[in-house]
Amino acid sequence: GDSVTQMEGPVTLSEEAFLTINCTYTATGYPSLFWYVQYPGEGLQLLLKATKADDKGSNKGFEATYRKETTSFHLEKGSVQVSDSAVYFCALYTGRRALTFGSGTRLQVQP
Amino acid sequence: GAVVSQHPSRVICKSGTSVKIECRSLDFQATTMFWYRQFPKKSLMLMATSNEGSKATYEQGVEKDKFLINHASLTLSTLTVTSAHPEDSSFYICSATLLAGVSTDTQYFGPGTRLTVL
Repeated sequence: GDSVTQMEGPVTLSEEAFLTINCTYTATGYPSLFWYVQYPGEGLQLLLKATKADDKGSNKGFEATYRKETTSFHLEKGSVQVSDSAVYFCALYTGRRALTFGSGTRLQVQP
Repeated sequence: GAVVSQHPSRVICKSGTSVKIECRSLDFQATTMFWYRQFPKKSLMLMATSNEGSKATYEQGVEKDKFLINHASLTLSTLTVTSAHPEDSSFYICSATLLAGVSTDTQYFGPGTRLTVL
């Protein structure tokens, strides 16, 4: 079945550090890939998405590239801020059912 | 656009009572709504998929008689936790997809409902 694997957290970084959160997936066909962010006390928000191989999704300084050859969709940001502290979920959608989520990675950015 | 609301945001109830959670798409019509449950420090687990006017499809292991889902219109779905017990305490999240032809692979999430059963 479809699955998403994310790096375990928490990830603790200092402000302005470079961020990478790894995400790999297993799916039949050609899924769409997503990153969602959940701020403390809030629901999930779509951060970015990519719908086909080599697409790059980007938003708020975050970006991720759909790599079909490595079945990956790693999230990156060049310079994190304290306000980026949240839980980040990688997800995929194949059209057969609802989104399949990874287990989430908590990011803590320290001043 | 594409706002999904949930009510209530937080509820505390006694064991044995039933609790109803509403999920509304405020500015679009949702073909399908999904109900998820999120355990602490865990990912979202899909509970059921509901389409307007038809019975919900439950995921394996989810008790349909305990978690009643009603999707009466294209903008409203409800989840009723019947005879709630402490182990039902969790964060319940709904999401909705737009009508076919408009980004059907993007779901919009509600802010969630924190249920605490004493």
